[in-house]
Amino acid sequence: EVQLVGSGGGLVKPGGSLRLSCATSGLSFSKTWMSWVRQAPGKGPEWVGRIASKTSGEITEYAAPVKGRFTISRDDSKNTLYLQLNSLKTDDTAVYSCTTAEYWGQGTLVTVSS
Amino acid sequence: DVVMTQSPLSLPVTLGQPASISCRSSQGLVHTDGNIYLSWFQQRPGQSPRRLIYKVSNRDSGVPDRFSGSGSGTDFTLKISRVEAEDVGVYYCMQGSHWHTFGGGTKVEIE
Repeated sequence: EVQLVGSGGGLVKPGGSLRLSCATSGLSFSKTWMSWVRQAPGKGPEWVGRIASKTSGEITEYAAPVKGRFTISRDDSKNTLYLQLNSLKTDDTAVYSCTTAEYWGQGTLVTVSS
Repeated sequence: DVVMTQSPLSLPVTLGQPASISCRSSQGLVHTDGNIYLSWFQQRPGQSPRRLIYKVSNRDSGVPDRFSGSGSGTDFTLKISRVEAEDVGVYYCMQGSHWHTFGGGTKVEIE
């Protein structure tokens, strides 16, 4: 069974930082392109970014609203995906989920508020 | 950016009756590799999205065959042949051919 378990969310002040993790099991993580998607309260999903597999160069791509502030990385030895969030804004408040598109984590809530 | 427009916003349905959701893209969705990356997701209250359909018409594993996807060019459709109570939720189309963008969602509820 494939499982994606997100963690690391919380309350942070504007301008602050946070690091989210997504621990996976049951899939060939090292061969899998992984993404982060967020969903603000009462809104639809928004793709945040993705990272290619190591064999595809671990290339990262980001949505315009987060480019230069967020960084996606992976540790294939731990089957874990990361999302570093810097210079956070109130508009970044959302549930952040890791996904392969086919499989989704349960999401972790990030609240940016003073 | 590619804009995905869904209709209707809300879809009241009768149990056992068919339902159809439309999704229109602002430009064609043929990827440079020749595929059309158009997916449909179901999101039940309090849950993460669940992918139902990928590449226009391919059902994901475990998805009931009452769900079907079709379309081409810029117009795509998700159909539920006979709505069941567990189908209540919000449905999103998403294109992955030119970055990734979601439609605004269609809320399916039982009349």
